[in-house]
Amino acid sequence: KAGVTQTPRYLIKTRGQQVTLSCSPISGHRSVSWYQQTPGQGLQFLFEYFSETQRNKGNFPGRFSGRQFSNSRSEMNVSTLELGDSALYLCASSLDLAKNTGELFFGEGSRLTVL
Amino acid sequence: DAKTTQPPSMDCAEGRAANLPCNHSTISGNEYVYWYRQIHSQGPQYIIHGLKNNETNEMASLIITEDRKSSTLILPHATLRDTAVYYCIVRDKAAGNKLTFGGGTRVLVKP
Repeated sequence: KAGVTQTPRYLIKTRGQQVTLSCSPISGHRSVSWYQQTPGQGLQFLFEYFSETQRNKGNFPGRFSGRQFSNSRSEMNVSTLELGDSALYLCASSLDLAKNTGELFFGEGSRLTVL
Repeated sequence: DAKTTQPPSMDCAEGRAANLPCNHSTISGNEYVYWYRQIHSQGPQYIIHGLKNNETNEMASLIITEDRKSSTLILPHATLRDTAVYYCIVRDKAAGNKLTFGGGTRVLVKP
């Protein structure tokens, strides 16, 4: 079956702009989470959605937001971009991990460069 | 903060077993130990997880000490394609998908 699909794979923005990233989870997976990966901070949890509701949130400013649609697809948005937002943004999907101990399936990521 | 401690790097000879240690001395009774790996420029890949007992699958074996304060991931016959950063993570089911990644161990498999 198809894996987690993230679009776009690469994008370049300038400071002050906003960006929207998209994630299509594996069919049947209802939980989607987002992570940011930078060389300095490593992999950091952004937020998690389940059934269109944010279930968990990491320590990121309000400029970072997300949502999930009824078909489980998810988007994340970063407003007023800063140079430090340059990163690989990873989406992961799973069955409802609150009830399972199974694994997360990660996409290939969206690499954002802020100039 | 990550609840695990791993060596930053290690080398392994191709065809030999790779033993990756992880300390998680503050692990609580309902937390699982997960291992993921990330090959350059790709998303992390699940390897294995366990609670108390040792576990084995087609990719690796996981040995958890009796006091659960440490574990070892074993890649039985390392190949060049196993070169990656390996992350040991402890996770409480109640935390949902919030995984806290540490720095991981950068494993280089050499011919």
